[in-house]
Amino acid sequence: KQEVTQIPAALSVPEGENLVLNCSFTDSAIYNLQWFRQDPGKGLTSLLLIQSSQREQTSGRLNASLDKSSGRSTLYIAASQPGDSATYLCAASNDYKLSFGAGTTVTVRA
Amino acid sequence: KAGVTQTPRYLIKTRGQQVTLSCSPISGHRSVSWYQQTPGQGLQFLFEYFSETQRNKGNFPGRFSGRQFSNSRSEMNVSTLELGDSALYLCASRRTGEVYGYTFGSGTRLTVV
Repeated sequence: KQEVTQIPAALSVPEGENLVLNCSFTDSAIYNLQWFRQDPGKGLTSLLLIQSSQREQTSGRLNASLDKSSGRSTLYIAASQPGDSATYLCAASNDYKLSFGAGTTVTVRA
Repeated sequence: KAGVTQTPRYLIKTRGQQVTLSCSPISGHRSVSWYQQTPGQGLQFLFEYFSETQRNKGNFPGRFSGRQFSNSRSEMNVSTLELGDSALYLCASRRTGEVYGYTFGSGTRLTVV
């Protein structure tokens, strides 16, 4: 059974600081790993998708890395802004489903 | 292009009743999945459908069921509602092939009183 862990559970930083969010998974037989953002009471917005054969993906200020052999992924958010405040979830894909971590709640202080 | 559409957005039901939630996937997406999100358990997988066939099912009681229609639209049903079924129910769709990512809808907030 896939177990996904996210550390830290919460993070508070001043505006402009870089963010590093960690995700680990126990079963390396994944098709891909997906990072999502969730605002309170809302659905999930996909940020980045990393295929199992890839090492990283970038979109604007966001960069995600994947190390399948060690079961780790990291999401980097550069130059954080108050609008980045949200919960960030990573999810590993296999067996026609996503296994989610509990999320990291980020607060960016102006 | 239209995203994943879930209806209704909010529901209030009484214990013992049943409820049906609906999900319309992105056009061309034949895979539809359902997830339950609660503060205590986080996001948990309910089931996944592809071409009207259930391919995987999570660890939920038989009161939770689903189906998919020929146009890929999906419904999930919860019978004999319990207070613990109060949650945000999220639907996701995906293009054919496990290499593709999932797109989620805005969810249905179910409150059982």
